[in-house]
Amino acid sequence: AQSVTQPDIHITVSEGASLELRCNYSYGATPYLFWYVQSPGQGLQLLLKYFSGDTLVQGIKGFEAEFKRSQSSFNLRKPSVHWSDAAEYFCAVGAHPNFGNEKLTFGTGTRLTIIP
Amino acid sequence: EAGVTQFPSHSVIEKGQTVTLRCDPISGHDNLYWYRRVMGKEIKFLLHFVKESKQDESGMPNNRFLAERTGGTYSTLKVQPAELEDSGVYFCASSQDPTWGYTFGSGTRLTVV
Repeated sequence: AQSVTQPDIHITVSEGASLELRCNYSYGATPYLFWYVQSPGQGLQLLLKYFSGDTLVQGIKGFEAEFKRSQSSFNLRKPSVHWSDAAEYFCAVGAHPNFGNEKLTFGTGTRLTIIP
Repeated sequence: EAGVTQFPSHSVIEKGQTVTLRCDPISGHDNLYWYRRVMGKEIKFLLHFVKESKQDESGMPNNRFLAERTGGTYSTLKVQPAELEDSGVYFCASSQDPTWGYTFGSGTRLTVV
């Protein structure tokens, strides 16, 4: 069965500081990996996704993530956070859609607080 | 293009009542998914429609939940009768090609009291 672990429930960083949110997954085949962000009162917005190719993926809002198969990780990074990045971040894993199983398994989320 | 629309945004009902949630996917998206997040826990898959057919309903918690997608357009999720443990945020998502990712709505926050 597939699973996702986001070990950090809550992270606080200063504006302008770098950020890394951790995500570890368990999946028996080649995973299809996502990061979503939910700002207050908003829906889940896709930041980036990975299913093949370059293991360093660039997303929106200056975020990037690196797929490391040997560590079963897909950590999200940003070199300099802005106050508007305060939100909840979700990592998710799924099968490649060509395999016919399209449900995503999400982690429990990491809440990011930005301090001035 | 318009996004995935869900309504109501909030619903507070008493235990034993019925509630119907609605999701309007992005026009032309054949795939529609329902997910739920119970307070403080992970977002969990409920079911997947392809057009009007249920492709996968393995995540539906019990027979108090009924999802429909008549005509392959909008979908409804009915909870009858609602129980306290049904409280949470219900998300809908749609996609035309899942390799492009999934577009989520802003969710319906359901509170059963």
